[in-house]
Amino acid sequence: KQEVTQIPAALSVPEGENLVLNCSFTDSAIYNLQWFRQDPGKGLTSLLLIQSSQREQTSGRLNASLDKSSGRSTLYIAASQPGDSATYLCAVLISSGSARQLTFGSGTQLTVLP
Amino acid sequence: EPEVTQTPSHQVTQMGQEVILRCVPISNHLYFYWYRQILGQKVEFLVSFYNNEISEKSEIFDDQFSVERPDGSNFTLKIRSTKLEDSAMYFCASILRGLTDTQYFGPGTRLTVL
Repeated sequence: KQEVTQIPAALSVPEGENLVLNCSFTDSAIYNLQWFRQDPGKGLTSLLLIQSSQREQTSGRLNASLDKSSGRSTLYIAASQPGDSATYLCAVLISSGSARQLTFGSGTQLTVLP
Repeated sequence: EPEVTQTPSHQVTQMGQEVILRCVPISNHLYFYWYRQILGQKVEFLVSFYNNEISEKSEIFDDQFSVERPDGSNFTLKIRSTKLEDSAMYFCASILRGLTDTQYFGPGTRLTVL
C-alpha cells in the first residue's frame, strides 16, 4: 500500500529565506505527483504537478523536483513571504483498479515570520 | 478562472440523519472525485466517478454513502445515516480529461455530526 510521508511536520522561518519541503513515497509506481497548498479551514489549491516522466516543474518562486526511483520529491520556495504561510501537501497519483486516485501526505505546516 | 464550488460550506446534523453535500465541478470536466479530511488527519480518497458511474471507491465508501450526478452540472455525495465519525471536511475535485491531469479541488464542506 502506498504511503506518503512529509518532513518536517512543521517549519518556521524568517521572511526572505529559501526553504525546502520534503515528500517521500513508498511505491515508485506513480503517474504523477502534485503539490497543494491548504490554508486553515480552506480547500486545496494546486501548486505544481509533475508527471512521472518529468524531473521538475517551476512556477514563480516555487520549484518542485521528482526522483521517482528513490521515491522522493522536494518543493523549493525561494524568498519566502508571510503570505506563504500555509500547510503544504504532496500527493501521488496511483492506479486503483480502472481509476486513479491521489494518496496524500500529512503535510508540512509552514510559518513565515515577518 | 473556473473553479469547483461546494455547498454548503458548513453543515451541522444530528447522528442518524441524512445529509447531501453538493458540488459543481468545473464545466467540461469529465472525472469527479470526493475526498474527506478528518480534523488533524490526512486527506483520504472516497470515490471517483466517470461517465455517470462509480469508477472506484475506497473502503471508507460503504453502503451509507452514495454519489449522483443528477443533472449536467451538480455532483452530490449523500450520507444516509450519519455517524459521529463522519464529521470531517469533504472535498470535491474534478479533472478535465486525462486521468493524470491536475485535480482541481473545491473549498470543501465541513460536516459536523452531533
